[in-house]
Amino acid sequence: AQSVAQPEDQVNVAEGNPLTVKCTYSVSGNPYLFWYVQYPNRGLQFLLKYITGDNLVKGSYGFEAEFNKSQTSFHLKKPSALVSDSALYFCAVRLWGHNAGNMLTFGGGTRLMVKP
Amino acid sequence: NAGVTQTPKFQVLKTGQSMTLQCAQDMNHEYMSWYRQDPGMGLRLIHYSVGAGITDQGEVPNGYNVSRSTTEDFPLRLLSAAPSQTSVYFCASRQDREGENTEAFFGQGTRLTVV
Repeated sequence: AQSVAQPEDQVNVAEGNPLTVKCTYSVSGNPYLFWYVQYPNRGLQFLLKYITGDNLVKGSYGFEAEFNKSQTSFHLKKPSALVSDSALYFCAVRLWGHNAGNMLTFGGGTRLMVKP
Repeated sequence: NAGVTQTPKFQVLKTGQSMTLQCAQDMNHEYMSWYRQDPGMGLRLIHYSVGAGITDQGEVPNGYNVSRSTTEDFPLRLLSAAPSQTSVYFCASRQDREGENTEAFFGQGTRLTVV
């Protein structure tokens, strides 16, 4: 079975400061990892994904994520937060391989609040 | 490009009523899925399909049916609505390419209230 944990329900950060949204995962094989963002009353938008061999992944809107295999983590980061980054962030995982039953497993979400 | 389109955006049902949530994608994706989003629980998989004519259950399938007669459409049916089905429902699609980490595309969601 695969699972994803986002240990923080909410992260507060001041505009201009760096931000980190944490994600840890548990899978029995090699993981495909993703970050999605959800703005109010909207669907999920893809931010970035883990690509084998690149431990630091760059995505949309200046976000990046660091993959750490030994700690089974995939934390989302941004060097300088914007008020417009305030949203709900989801980490998700699925397994490698052409497995027909392989859909995404999501974490519980972390609300990011960036204050001016 | 329309991407993934869900209708309706909002719906209120009485307990015991039935309805169908519509989902259509125009990207010729093989994989489609339905999730429900509840506070603090992230998104949970209800049903999924890996191609026309093929569907399977996800994590929380009870009370829901699906069918996949075409590549484009993947409707979700509530046979007899219950208050526990009050949630926000998302449809997603993805093109599966072996060895590639392809992302899913999500619709805008349907907010369903069962009273």
